[in-house]
Amino acid sequence: GAVVSQHPSRVICKSGTSVKIECRSLDFQATTMFWYRQFPKQSLMLMATSNEGSKATYEQGVEKDKFLINHASLTLSTLTVTSAHPEDSSFYICSARTSGRLDTQYFGPGTRLTVL
Amino acid sequence: KNQVEQSPQSLIILEGKNCTLQCNYTVSPFSNLRWYKQDTGRGPVSLTIMTFSENTKSNGRYTATLDADTKQSSLHITASQLSDSASYICVVRNTGNQFYFGTGTSLTVIP
Repeated sequence: GAVVSQHPSRVICKSGTSVKIECRSLDFQATTMFWYRQFPKQSLMLMATSNEGSKATYEQGVEKDKFLINHASLTLSTLTVTSAHPEDSSFYICSARTSGRLDTQYFGPGTRLTVL
Repeated sequence: KNQVEQSPQSLIILEGKNCTLQCNYTVSPFSNLRWYKQDTGRGPVSLTIMTFSENTKSNGRYTATLDADTKQSSLHITASQLSDSASYICVVRNTGNQFYFGTGTSLTVIP
């Protein structure tokens, strides 16, 4: 099946710093990637939809200036959490969408962000 | 309104027993339905995908069913193992390329 990687898997940073998370589709091209956030024992919450070569579409309540998304190629999307605060600590998961009849999403392994 | 509801919210079973998880949806027009398994601290991994014309599909000890008329799907796990402990998420896609997530069922298998 399709493989999606994320880097880093874990990151700890100080409050006020910025953190970049990478999401790569390893064996397919993804025109669309999604970014989710998941708090403990809760469901995935869609943050934004990232389309290659265009601006990301953010869900209501998600600050686009705080969560910068770049989808510069068909295999790479990045999420930058700017001026991170402890409340941004969460599990961030990306997914890449395949095309075709069985259009679906393949998820990355997630990135655990802890802001001190 | 497009919704996906899963039940039960959580489930505890003994190792070796079978269990069935439910997914009811109101997403329309329907394209496909996928079951994912998410281990704690990991990303979801696809188990099965069901299209409109498919009623049953198996993947090892996992068997998914789909009734497109009643808009219900189930995931049956046979002879459960400790490693089956995870959250199981039902995701329905419509023909407009929108994905709708259920809130998941947390399964715990105990020895």
